[in-house]
Amino acid sequence: QVQLVESGGGLAKPGGSLRLSCEASGFIFGHYYMTWVRQAPGKGLEWVSYITSSSSYADYRDSVKGRFTISRDNVNSLFLQMDDLRADDTAVYYCARTAANGAHFDVWGRGTLVTVSS
Amino acid sequence: EIVLTQSPGTLSLSPGERATLSCRASQVINSAFLAWYQQKPGQSPRLLIYATSSRATGIPDRFSGSGSGPDFTLTISRLEPEDIAVYYCQQYGSSPRFTFGPGTKVEIK
Repeated sequence: QVQLVESGGGLAKPGGSLRLSCEASGFIFGHYYMTWVRQAPGKGLEWVSYITSSSSYADYRDSVKGRFTISRDNVNSLFLQMDDLRADDTAVYYCARTAANGAHFDVWGRGTLVTVSS
Repeated sequence: EIVLTQSPGTLSLSPGERATLSCRASQVINSAFLAWYQQKPGQSPRLLIYATSSRATGIPDRFSGSGSGPDFTLTISRLEPEDIAVYYCQQYGSSPRFTFGPGTKVEIK
């Protein structure tokens, strides 16, 4: 079945780095744009970044520009390199498949928790 | 930046009642780019409605979406106990490319 599984979360110190991964299965990964969405504890959803199917273009929310880098391979994996982490980056990070029209997210992973604390 | 406002913040209803959730955008948005998600406690979000009124695969027909311009509505025609969740609207635009509303929490009386 169609599935996304995130990994790589954990505890990092302010200014530190983490690399998140998302493994896709059950669909042709290379046909879809992919997205990262995060949710701080007890808060709402916040879009972080997305990347086109060919990796030709990526976009980020302002608060992570210059610190986070989204990438993907040609097989089945999406990545989020997070550098210079801040306390307000603490959240569950979800990998999501962007639907064909590019406007919404039709498949979500279970998420991976990132905690930034000294 | 387009801001989405959802109301009410919390909706408390009895099983079988009709739930009406509102999402208002700070400016007119393309109805093709408005979606709704359901997030049950401890779970990841699930797509309910896309392009304002199209149900996602496997979504029961008691869920429906409507609206245009800046005002959109998610309706649950007959509330079931398993509908306890937070519901988010989301739009696609520019800078930031995607935005979510703050959510409406649906509770069962």
